[in-house]
Order: sequence, then structure tokens, then C-alpha cells
Amino acid sequence: NAGVTQTPKFQVLKTGQSMTLQCAQDMNHEYMSWYRQDPGMGLRLIHYSVGAGITDQGEVPNGYNVSRSTTEDFPLRLLSAAPSQTSVYFCASSYVLQGTQYFGPGTRLLVL
Amino acid sequence: AQSVTQLDSQVPVFEEAPVELRCNYSSSVSVYLFWYVQYPNQGLQLLLKYLSGSTLVESINGFEAEFNKSQTSFHLRKPSVHISDTAEYFCAVFNFGNEKLTFGTGTRLTIIP
Repeated sequence: NAGVTQTPKFQVLKTGQSMTLQCAQDMNHEYMSWYRQDPGMGLRLIHYSVGAGITDQGEVPNGYNVSRSTTEDFPLRLLSAAPSQTSVYFCASSYVLQGTQYFGPGTRLLVL
Repeated sequence: AQSVTQLDSQVPVFEEAPVELRCNYSSSVSVYLFWYVQYPNQGLQLLLKYLSGSTLVESINGFEAEFNKSQTSFHLRKPSVHISDTAEYFCAVFNFGNEKLTFGTGTRLTIIP
């Protein structure tokens, strides 16, 4: 049981480039979320999904897209990277919306 | 809008001394309360949670937190800290009114040998 996995662990992008952060979970959780962590700001919700085919915006969705074609996978796409998107990104999943969140190890992104 | 306040961004504590990390929230409806811990270069993991019942909840590594409804607080305590407790601690609140989970900004606990 791997829990929540994220790839890559580190990434450097140039402004304007696009990329996809991968997230997968093997716990059959319906709820999955993407957060970004910035110093002094805690965790901010980017997008979330309550099940395959259903996604919604969180607190800071601009510049990011998501899709949920399967229960297991929830990729986060940066369409045109900007320096303001330099951050640590965490994927999380839970059995129910109000339940314990299980976090991946994070992806550290630097946009130059 | 719901808010979660962790008043201290950094807390230095001598090894074997007690510690309290404060968390206050604003909500007039039913909530679930969580403390998550983030060790260096890792993701967050659940430390303890309050869902219902006894207002005092404990973790397996000696932390405890008490839900105080009248003061809307959920402070985290440990009577004697160890070097291994060095981490960042996040308070989180799930609000049943708007069905949203909100995290505090975190408290970095540094243990001084």
C-alpha cells in the first residue's frame, strides 16, 4: 500500500513553460485535493475532486487545471508557468470530505 | 468566512520542557478539528483529531489537544518534548456549515538540546 504518491519530487521551469504534476492514490479514496504551501501562508487549496469526473476550484485556482478520469489519479497542470507559482505542491486524499487527509511527499517547483 | 489562527509562527523549546501550540478558529457551526505534523522535507501527516465525545484527545507520541467550544480553541500540548518533535505543526478545521477544510498557517517547533 503506497498511499499517496507524487511525481516529480523537484522541477525547475522557465516562465511560460507548461507541465503536469502527477498524483496517485491506492486507497480507493473518493476525495482528492491539491494544495500549495508557501512560507507564512500555510496550505492553500488549489483544486479538489469529490469523485471521478467531478472537480471544483479551491481558494487559488488561477493558472492551474485539473481532471479526474479515474479514482486513483488526479494530475495538476500548469498551463503557462509564472514565478508566482514557485512553491511546494501537495496532493492529498481522504475517504470522506471531513475525514483524515493523507498527503503525498510533495513536489518542489521553481519557476525562473 | 471561516478562519484558523495559529498565533505563533515559531516556538523554540528546550528539550524535556513542556510546550503548548495554540490554535483558535472562528465558526458558529459544528466542526471537526485536526492537528497535522510536517517533518522536514516530508508531507503532512495526522497527529490527532477531535470528532466528538471526550474533548481531550491524545496521540501515540505523547501529544494531547483539548477542544474548548466556548473559546473556540484546540491547543496542542506535550509535557516533555524531544529532539524528534522538531517539525511544523498545522491546525485544521472542517466546518460542517460550508463543508470546507481550512488550515492554519503553521507553527514551527524547534527543540533546543
